[in-house]
Amino acid sequence: DADVTQTPRNRITKTGKRIMLECSQTKGHDRMYWYRQDPGLGLQLIYYSFDVKDINKGEISDGYSVSRQAQAKFSLSLESAIPNQTALYFCATSDPGQLDTQYFGPGTRLTVL
Amino acid sequence: KNQVEQSPQSLIILEGKNCTLQCNYTVSPFSNLRWYKQDTGRGPVSLTIMTFSENTKSNGRYTATLDADTKQSSLHITASQLSDSASYICVVSADYGGSQGNLIFGKGTKLSVKP
Repeated sequence: DADVTQTPRNRITKTGKRIMLECSQTKGHDRMYWYRQDPGLGLQLIYYSFDVKDINKGEISDGYSVSRQAQAKFSLSLESAIPNQTALYFCATSDPGQLDTQYFGPGTRLTVL
Repeated sequence: KNQVEQSPQSLIILEGKNCTLQCNYTVSPFSNLRWYKQDTGRGPVSLTIMTFSENTKSNGRYTATLDADTKQSSLHITASQLSDSASYICVVSADYGGSQGNLIFGKGTKLSVKP
């Protein structure tokens, strides 16, 4: 969905490097999320934010940090990447007026060597 | 423990045929249930969302049903097309006073539609 964009789309990095994944949205939603998807597993919530001043940990936040720079921007950082953080990462937004139906970005495929 | 189980894990059908995907959940307290379609390498896209009081909802050739008593949902696809090949994810929202950290995702059913 072009309303939610993620950069980069693919990234290969080495163990110990700092990585930032960026998400931007034009839907005007206050709520934004970062998920991780591993093969054969369901989506797992890393962090979520209900507005610019609100940041909450999800079920697998260890090793990750986030920054909500503006309503439209939500970044995910891996301070020191490790191989088991190799996964597909999705950003999403939602509107509570639509029962929080989520709109996902196209994903970032991250490989940590 | 809140869980969402989907079956089958994978399914192959011929173009034009119908199919039904299953979702069983143990999430409590229940708020709503969503079905998403995820094409390979892309983000999930919402198909339907049902609250406790709804027992069926359609979106084109997709029809979702919900039985809140047995905690089961199904997604029925009619007259399948090659473009229906994707993973279908069942997501259940727990109602903890509005907190949206409470979406429980199933692992998905991978559907392949063959010509």
